[in-house]
Amino acid sequence: GQNIDQPTEMTATEGAIVQINCTYQTSGFNGLFWYQQHAGEAPTFLSYNVLDGLEEKGRFSSFLSRSKGYSYLLLKELQMKDSASYLCAVKDSNYQLIWGAGTKLIIKP
Amino acid sequence: SAVISQKPSRDICQRGTSLTIQCQVDSQVTMMFWYRQQPGQSLTLIATANQGSEATYESGFVIDKFPISRPNLTFSTLTVSNMSPEDSSIYLCSGVLLPGLEGQETQYFGPGTRLLVL
Repeated sequence: GQNIDQPTEMTATEGAIVQINCTYQTSGFNGLFWYQQHAGEAPTFLSYNVLDGLEEKGRFSSFLSRSKGYSYLLLKELQMKDSASYLCAVKDSNYQLIWGAGTKLIIKP
Repeated sequence: SAVISQKPSRDICQRGTSLTIQCQVDSQVTMMFWYRQQPGQSLTLIATANQGSEATYESGFVIDKFPISRPNLTFSTLTVSNMSPEDSSIYLCSGVLLPGLEGQETQYFGPGTRLLVL
């Protein structure tokens, strides 16, 4: 079966750095997405990786290793507004998105 | 990018009734999807809305319960039929832009419809 694993919840301190990991086992691979979702709101796109390596976008970076079936989202200089759920999703061989359960990130002052 | 709107944004409905949710996209999209999300949980795909043909439903979802229309490239509706309290959830519409448009790989989401069935 297809499976996306990410931690259920993480806690970090304002101003610090946090890394949210995602491992996947899917039938084929056509890209990995990270979305941010604040409570009560729709998911918003953060990043897309289809090749191995690091993609940097401001305070957020996303890394992919296809051989290991592994990605992480790195958030730097954490702000209180970064408190949200972070969803990892993989596009499989049918170009369908397989969603992880999400990681709830709690930022403390 | 694409801007997706949904209406209603929320509703409270009686058991046994039906509700139709509308989704409008400001750009032409290839694929449109309908998701359901329970509070604190991830997204569950209900179906892919196909233009001019029947939607493609995921396991556990059927057309009689969740009829879907997509008359053109920018509009779709989802009906939740014969509702029960178990249908209380957030329903999200999403779309993927046509090839050649900026951000074509990305799935964009509407703001969601919060449904409570009593």
